[in-house]
Amino acid sequence: AQSVTQLDSQVPVFEEAPVELRCNYSSSVSVYLFWYVQYPNQGLQLLLKYLSGSTLVESINGFEAEFNKSQTSFHLRKPSVHISDTAEYFCAVTDRDYGQNFVFGPGTRLSVLP
Amino acid sequence: DTGVSQDPRHKITKRGQNVTFRCDPISEHNRLYWYRQTLGQGPEFLTYFQNEAQLEKSRLLSDRFSAERPKGSFSTLEIQRTEQGDSAMYLCASSLGGPVSTDTQYFGPGTRLTVL
Repeated sequence: AQSVTQLDSQVPVFEEAPVELRCNYSSSVSVYLFWYVQYPNQGLQLLLKYLSGSTLVESINGFEAEFNKSQTSFHLRKPSVHISDTAEYFCAVTDRDYGQNFVFGPGTRLSVLP
Repeated sequence: DTGVSQDPRHKITKRGQNVTFRCDPISEHNRLYWYRQTLGQGPEFLTYFQNEAQLEKSRLLSDRFSAERPKGSFSTLEIQRTEQGDSAMYLCASSLGGPVSTDTQYFGPGTRLTVL
């Protein structure tokens, strides 16, 4: 069974500052990793995912995440945040071989302050 | 808009009543998922359909819960004899197909259930 930890439940940051949202996972098998974002009053949207290949993956709006197998982490970063990035961010993991059961972390609420 | 839709968006009911939620997936999507999300937690997987076949059910899905997808299009989730612990956001997602573990899921806005 997999589990996901997001240690920071809330992260306040000023506009144009860098941010890192932490995600650690636990699994006895190989996994795929995902970040989903939920903007206020909207459904969850896929932000980026790691399946294989390069351990650094990027989204279209400037976020990136790096898969670190030795540290079982998949932290999300952005060098300069905007007010519009204010949202809840969820890290998720799924088993590579039996993957319909997505396991989500508890989420991190990112608040970007002017 | 051709995204995943859910109805109703909010439902308030008294303990012991039955409730039914509907999910309409993106039209060409073969897979449909139900999740439950409580305050301060991420979504928890409940069940999933491949077309009309229900292929997996979580242990979270007690006997009071039943889900159907009769024609492989929309799905319903029914909760019988609701309890206060059923209060949560119920999320539906759909996906196109291909290898399940890499298949991008598109989520609806959710149905918020409050059991008094």
